[in-house]
Amino acid sequence: SAVISQKPSRDICQRGTSLTIQCQVDSQVTMMFWYRQQPGQSLTLIATANQGSEATYESGFVIDKFPISRPNLTFSTLTVSNMSPEDSSIYLCSVEADRGQQQYFGPGTRLTVT
Amino acid sequence: QQPVQSPQAVILREGEDAVINCSSSKALYSVHWYRQKHGEAPVFLMILLKGGEQKGHEKISASFNEKKQQSSLYLTASQLSYSGTYFCGTITGANNLFFGTGTRLTVIP
Repeated sequence: SAVISQKPSRDICQRGTSLTIQCQVDSQVTMMFWYRQQPGQSLTLIATANQGSEATYESGFVIDKFPISRPNLTFSTLTVSNMSPEDSSIYLCSVEADRGQQQYFGPGTRLTVT
Repeated sequence: QQPVQSPQAVILREGEDAVINCSSSKALYSVHWYRQKHGEAPVFLMILLKGGEQKGHEKISASFNEKKQQSSLYLTASQLSYSGTYFCGTITGANNLFFGTGTRLTVIP
């Protein structure tokens, strides 16, 4: 299993600013994922972050808007840049564990952009 | 690419059964099922791999038909604790997990 923490748990930000979300895992993992979940909606994969390589972004998400860092095997950050109200959402990180048999999710960061 | 789930929502009385379906337009390597309670992170329930296997987890079981690219989650003798939103997640060739549209399940006394 894996225990994941995220910081901050929630934030209210003004449009045009940026927020960096941190994700910390209690064990070393190869693959980390970032998801976005808008209110009442499903989870949408933003990108996959492997240590030592650039993140791979899904369609509709770009590095300039959502830069990701993965400096080691237990930590990653996601930055939401130049925010607009449409970025208001819950952002979750997850890790693959048990040889890909499942993913464990962090508690999420609830972002509100005004 | 997002898998489609049905029904979108269902209300059950304690002890009743339910089936949640998940359908994909792409070939599937595996299907994951998660449950998310309001304000919480999704929690893994089970994974099904290619081969048409059926898995069980107490009173929750699932099947996977890779030819039809479909999976079904079966909840029997539902309990109040089963309430939440259920998501299927499908793994395609890129080994990334894509979540379905979700099914909101409410169990009432």
